[in-house]
Amino acid sequence: GAVVSQHPSWVICKSGTSVKIECRSLDFQATTMFWYRQFPKQSLMLMATSNEGSKATYEQGVEKDKFLINHASLTLSTLTVTSAHPEDSSFYICSAMVGRYNSPLHFGNGTRLTVT
Amino acid sequence: GENVEQHPSTLSVQEGDSAVIKCTYSDSASNYFPWYKQELGKRPQLIIDIRSNVGEKKDQRIAVTLNKTAKHFSLHITETQPEDSAVYFCAANGGGADGLTFGKGTHLIIQP
Repeated sequence: GAVVSQHPSWVICKSGTSVKIECRSLDFQATTMFWYRQFPKQSLMLMATSNEGSKATYEQGVEKDKFLINHASLTLSTLTVTSAHPEDSSFYICSAMVGRYNSPLHFGNGTRLTVT
Repeated sequence: GENVEQHPSTLSVQEGDSAVIKCTYSDSASNYFPWYKQELGKRPQLIIDIRSNVGEKKDQRIAVTLNKTAKHFSLHITETQPEDSAVYFCAANGGGADGLTFGKGTHLIIQP
């Protein structure tokens, strides 16, 4: 149980284009999903908290107009990287919590984004 | 916000020996401390977690200890095996519904 599916697993796009990443909870409802970013050999950095039916909460330093998050249903959150640039190349990984607060996070497989 | 420090950044042990990874946290309201294992290019996988109402938890070769007073927690892996080689992350929840704050990770290398 508690499967989180993330697509695509990898994407290559040209500078200036937008890329949408989907994160789905397959066997549970996730009122809250989290988006992380991970650079090579570095830790997971929280970008934003996605709440179903409301605006996402972004961490300090993360541009909300560049990283658009939509959490339209209890099983789907999307992250759109708008006007991507090479410095946006990274590993983006979503996660969802089963239950509330002090519960485990279950991660998607991640999306390797390369902007050329 | 929460700040999690993790040490060491790299740990090399002989197969069969024990490995210990230590983390400290700053927010005394944190009440949930998971450990994740991440293999190269893959998702982090939860291996063990502990809540603030207990001081120790064990699952076969893996154990976690928590010292709330000192605000630190540790991962202990005994009888290490080659498949234990990976990056391990500790995390703390900051006591609320916010996302976990992760340590910088420890690259565990099991020498044959």
